[in-house]
Amino acid sequence: DAGVIQSPRHEVTEMGQEVTLRCKPISGHNSLFWYRQTMMRGLELLIYFNNNVPIDDSGMPEDRFSAKMPNASFSTLKIQPSEPRDSAVYFCASSLFGGLFRVVDTEAFFGQGTRLTVV
Amino acid sequence: SQQGEEDPQALSIQEGENATMNCSYKTSINNLQWYRQNSGRGLVHLILIRSNEREKHSGRLRVTLDTSKKSSSLLITASRAADTASYFCATDGRGSTLGRLYFGRGTQLTVWP
Repeated sequence: DAGVIQSPRHEVTEMGQEVTLRCKPISGHNSLFWYRQTMMRGLELLIYFNNNVPIDDSGMPEDRFSAKMPNASFSTLKIQPSEPRDSAVYFCASSLFGGLFRVVDTEAFFGQGTRLTVV
Repeated sequence: SQQGEEDPQALSIQEGENATMNCSYKTSINNLQWYRQNSGRGLVHLILIRSNEREKHSGRLRVTLDTSKKSSSLLITASRAADTASYFCATDGRGSTLGRLYFGRGTQLTVWP
């Protein structure tokens, strides 16, 4: 498997524009995470899917952010409209979670990230 | 917050020396993991220690876990310049958190040749 694949690697956009980040998780994984990393705030969990269903989106900063996972092999994170303070590196990660009542090692595999700059 | 917190925030050592990083967390866990991040790259899993384990080794890495103190340490022995990176601990919450990982802010390790 090629690992978690994110696109694009870099995105520069003007304030107010729509930005869509894409992620292909590792085949067979049932959990997918979107993280945002900045110097000021570190690594923040934005949203978390399990079996394509959003489980926890409490980290999504505002209504301008939305995420979808239409199937097990694809997810998007959309920002509309974008603002300069959204500039960060956005990571997608996937893992195989064995279930609430099973103790399973939940190692996460990260993509290379998308560096977003909003000017 | 269930986040782990690493200590120190930054560590600078010479090649050949040992590097020790610590992590503290707040709630009960199933396991604790350590990740490494090279500049401009994604996080890479290094080692996992389960809540019923006290120590684990992998190559030059040694991880300890003290669940009574809710703390862990990562020791890198005989460090190399290539070990320069940020190191994060992550805890796997129990109960209804469904496999979510909670990351700390990381320790920036610099190893000078």
